[in-house]
Amino acid sequence: GAVVSQHPSRVICKSGTSVKIECRSLDFQATTMFWYRQFPKKSLMLMATSNEGSKATYEQGVEKDKFLINHASLTLSTLTVTSAHPEDSSFYICSARDFNEREAGDTQYFGPGTRLTVL
Amino acid sequence: GQNIDQPTEMTATEGAIVQINCTYQTSGFNGLFWYQQHAGEAPTFLSYNVLDGLEEKGRFSSFLSRSKGYSYLLLKELQMKDSASYLCAVRDGDYKLSFGAGTTVTVRA
Repeated sequence: GAVVSQHPSRVICKSGTSVKIECRSLDFQATTMFWYRQFPKKSLMLMATSNEGSKATYEQGVEKDKFLINHASLTLSTLTVTSAHPEDSSFYICSARDFNEREAGDTQYFGPGTRLTVL
Repeated sequence: GQNIDQPTEMTATEGAIVQINCTYQTSGFNGLFWYQQHAGEAPTFLSYNVLDGLEEKGRFSSFLSRSKGYSYLLLKELQMKDSASYLCAVRDGDYKLSFGAGTTVTVRA
C-alpha cells in the first residue's frame, strides 16, 4: 500500500506558541489530503480537507484561523496549530487520497500521527 | 449527517472467529471501509466494500448490505497481534470518511 509520513511524531510546547505538523505522501501524488484529530479512546474526527493549490475546506466547528492548512505541493500538506492551548492537546492524524489504488478505486492512507501536548 | 454504530468492545480466544458489526445511516454513500488501529498508532487499511456481498482477504472478510445499512468485519483464526481497535468508516460523495467510534478487540490466550 501507499506510504504517508508525518513529522514530528511527538511535540510538547508551551501555551501560546505555534506548532507546524507536516504530512507527506512518499510514493504517490495526493491532490487531496485530510486532517483528523483523535481524543483518547475516541474515533477520528475530520477537521479539514486539504486540496493542492487551493484553500482548505474546514468542517463545522473547526476554527480555520487557529488550524492553518497549506497544501503547497502534490506530496506535502502542513497543519499549523496557532497560539496553542492545553485543550488543543490531541493526536493529529493526516491521510492522503491515492487515486491509483485499484482495489478500492481510491482510498485514504494514514500517516503515523502526531501527539501534541500543550503545557 | 452521518451516524455509524459499532460495539465498543469484544473479547475472543486465540484461534477463534470474531464478527464486528457496523450499522450506518448516512446522507451519502460511496463505499465502506474497515481500518485497524493499534493503540497510539494511525489506522491501517483492511478492506473496502462498495457493492453488496462478501469480500475476502486472507483471515479477514468484510460484508456489506447497502439496503440494510449494515456491514461486518470477520476475523478468523485470531492471533494475539489482532488485539486492536477496528474502525468502520463510510465514505460520502465528496470522498470524506466518517468513522464509527471503533470496536476494541481483545484476544486472549
